[in-house]
Amino acid sequence: TQLLEQSPQFLSIQEGENLTVYCNSSSVFSSLQWYRQEPGEGPVLLVTVVTGGEVKKLKRLTFQFGDARKDSSLHITAAQPGDTGLYLCAGAVRSRASQMRVGYALNFGKGTSLLVTP
Amino acid sequence: EAQVTQNPRYLITVTGKKLTVTCSQNMNHEYMSWYRQDPGLGLRQIYYSMNVEVTDKGDVPEGYKVSRKEKRNFPLILESPSPNQTSLYFCASSRQAALNTEAFFGQGTRLTVV
Repeated sequence: TQLLEQSPQFLSIQEGENLTVYCNSSSVFSSLQWYRQEPGEGPVLLVTVVTGGEVKKLKRLTFQFGDARKDSSLHITAAQPGDTGLYLCAGAVRSRASQMRVGYALNFGKGTSLLVTP
Repeated sequence: EAQVTQNPRYLITVTGKKLTVTCSQNMNHEYMSWYRQDPGLGLRQIYYSMNVEVTDKGDVPEGYKVSRKEKRNFPLILESPSPNQTSLYFCASSRQAALNTEAFFGQGTRLTVV
């Protein structure tokens, strides 16, 4: 079940431009994670946001968790070609009980494919 | 180096021929899972395992089997592959099936079933 909607689906910009990617849900999440996936590779964690309203910075990337913990955004300042990739947001959902053990599984959005050209 | 290793990276097979994709992690993680990634559909979980001998279905388990006999290994088995299982597959591991835990992904296996 896809609970997370990402927009835009595709984004093509020139080096130096700013951009924002959105991750929205009708459900409340205890936390959200952002991953980046480069061609031919698996996703790699960028950040985890936990508290409503939280803002985290990772160099030129700024991540925000909505006050109601239903949405998140990723803002990139002065994009560079090295930022090219697929950006995925993911939220933890309770997984089915198995042999009396309950845990969390990651539910991913469909991703935003970013292309930054020189 | 901490890593999740999948093999093979690329595989072309014919309908009905059983195959296994291996996944191994060297981080002593409890939680392992398999995803498939398809254009327009994103990453969808196939199966997951919370620990040795504990496995459960994800969102799209039909046509797949898994086993977790050892902590480090979590193979994905396709008993009778069909063309609709052509996809990019990722194995992932986490320290535990808990909130805020980072998932570490393998490099992926691109499977084509003809």
